[in-house]
Parts: sequence; C-alpha cells; structure tokens
Amino acid sequence: GNSVTQMEGPVTLSEEAFLTINCTYTATGYPSLFWYVQYPGEGLQLLLKATKADDKGSNKGFEATYRKETTSFHLEKGSVQVSDSAVYFCALSDSRNTPLVFGKGTRLSVIA
Amino acid sequence: NAGVTQTPKFQVLKTGQSMTLQCAQDMNHNSMYWYRQDPGMGLRLIYYSASEGTTDKGEVPNGYNVSRLNKREFSLRLESAAPSQTSVYFCASSYRGETDTQYFGPGTRLTVL
Repeated sequence: GNSVTQMEGPVTLSEEAFLTINCTYTATGYPSLFWYVQYPGEGLQLLLKATKADDKGSNKGFEATYRKETTSFHLEKGSVQVSDSAVYFCALSDSRNTPLVFGKGTRLSVIA
Repeated sequence: NAGVTQTPKFQVLKTGQSMTLQCAQDMNHNSMYWYRQDPGMGLRLIYYSASEGTTDKGEVPNGYNVSRLNKREFSLRLESAAPSQTSVYFCASSYRGETDTQYFGPGTRLTVL
C-alpha cells in the first residue's frame, strides 16, 4: 500500500539557519505530493504541493521538488524564522482517488 | 466564509459514554474526512465521505460511526467511548478528493477517563 516516511523530529534550529526535512514515499501510479503545516493549537493547512514529477512547489520561502527517481519530496527553506516553529507533515494522494496518506510529522523549533 | 468548523473544541467523557462530534463546511466541497491525531502517530483516517450519501472506512474505523447528513455536514459518533479514543480529532474537506487541497478544521480535543 501507499506510505510516507519523513525524518524523525524534533528538529531545533537557530533563526536564519537552513532547513531540510526529508520525505520519501511508496506509491503505485503517479501520486500528488503535499506538505502541510500545523501551528500550535491549530488544524493543518496546506503549505505547498506538486502534482507531477520534477514539479517544484513553493510557498512562504519553503520549496520541495517532486523527485520520481528517488521517490522523494524533501522540504527546504533557506533561512528559518521563529514563526516557522510548527509540525510539518508530508502527504501523498494516489491517482486512484483515495484519501491523503500522511507521514508522522516532524516538529520544528526555531530559536532566536 | 468560515471554512471548516468543528464542535465542540474540548470534551471529557467517562468510559462507556457516547457523543457526537460535529463538522460543517461552507465551501461546497464534495468530500469530507475524519482523522485522529495521536503523539508519534501522525494523522490516521477514521472515515471519509467521497460525496453526499456515501461513506467509507479508513485506517482506524473501529469504535466509530459516521453520518453524512447533507453536503455540508459530516458527523462522527462514538457509541461507547474508551480511553484508547483519547485523541485530537480533525475534520477536513476537499472539492474532489483526489489531488485537491484538503482544508482542516481546528480540531476537537477528546479525553476519555
């Protein structure tokens, strides 16, 4: 079945550091890939997505590229801020119209 | 435009009690979902409804029932609550369910004693 594996947290970074959160997936067909973010006390919200191989999703300074050859969708940001402290979830949607499959989440803490 | 709303925000139950979690969306979405979030487990799908009048089991449906009351509303019922159902419950909706963005409610934090 479909699955998503993302790096274990928590990740603690200083402000302005470079961020990478790894995400790899297993899926049949050609899934769409997503990163969701959950700020403290809130529900999840879409951060970015990519629907086909080599697509790059970007938003709020975050980027992720859909790499079919390595089945990966790593999240990156060049310079994190304290306000980026949150839990980040990688997810996929199978092209056969099944619900999202989420990774277990990675908690990011950014300290000033 | 309220998006996805959930009630209640917090609830404490005793083992064996029943309750219904309510969810509504005002975005004219076809698909709706219920997830639970537990520490270290990410989000797990309980039930979903691809369209009005249909419901399907997700990864962890045991102990829960759902009703897609109309296009806007999708409720989750615990008939006999157990401590293992202590969790944060999220409702979500999307337009078509396939590659479209899912929009999440703020969550209901449920404790079963």
